[in-house]
Amino acid sequence: TQLLEQSPQFLSIQEGENLTVYCNSSSVFSSLQWYRQEPGEGPVLLVTVVTGGEVKKLKRLTFQFGDARKDSSLHITAAQPGDTGLYLCNYQLIWGAGTKLIIKP
Amino acid sequence: SAVISQKPSRDICQRGTSLTIQCQVDSQVTMMFWYRQQPGQSLTLIATANQGSEATYESGFVIDKFPISRPNLTFSTLTVSNMSPEDSSIYLCSVSILGAGELFFGEGSRLTVL
Repeated sequence: TQLLEQSPQFLSIQEGENLTVYCNSSSVFSSLQWYRQEPGEGPVLLVTVVTGGEVKKLKRLTFQFGDARKDSSLHITAAQPGDTGLYLCNYQLIWGAGTKLIIKP
Repeated sequence: SAVISQKPSRDICQRGTSLTIQCQVDSQVTMMFWYRQQPGQSLTLIATANQGSEATYESGFVIDKFPISRPNLTFSTLTVSNMSPEDSSIYLCSVSILGAGELFFGEGSRLTVL
């Protein structure tokens, strides 16, 4: 059974700090996706990583796919209150446990 | 892309009653999914609804409890039957568009069972 282990499950930090969220597995994936969900809304796709070692940047968010395509990370630089939300890694119908991120002003 | 409308957005229901959630998509899609989510937690897939065939349910979910209809390529309903407080949750409709490589979600239906 393919699983995505996501950590941490909860993170509360001050505005301006940096953070990293991890999504790990013992399985190899052809791609991984990261979604963000805000309260009262459905998840929205942030990025898809496809190639081992790939790095994608979305403003202050940096996404990396591991060389072996078993893990991925999301790094946020200088976090803003607008980054608050639930971050989910995903492969098709497999979902990580989610990281609830709160950025305090 | 796809725009998904879900109704109701929230409801408070009495134990033992049933509630039907509607999901309308602005384009024709092959695959529709129904998820359950506790606030702040990950998504749990209930079933996959394909037009013209019976829904495929995940382990722990049965048709008698969560009947699904999929009358056409733009619409689906999920009914939560004989509700108990344990059914209190957010229910999300999602679609996959061939070639798009991503899932699109409705805003969710927040159900509270008293």
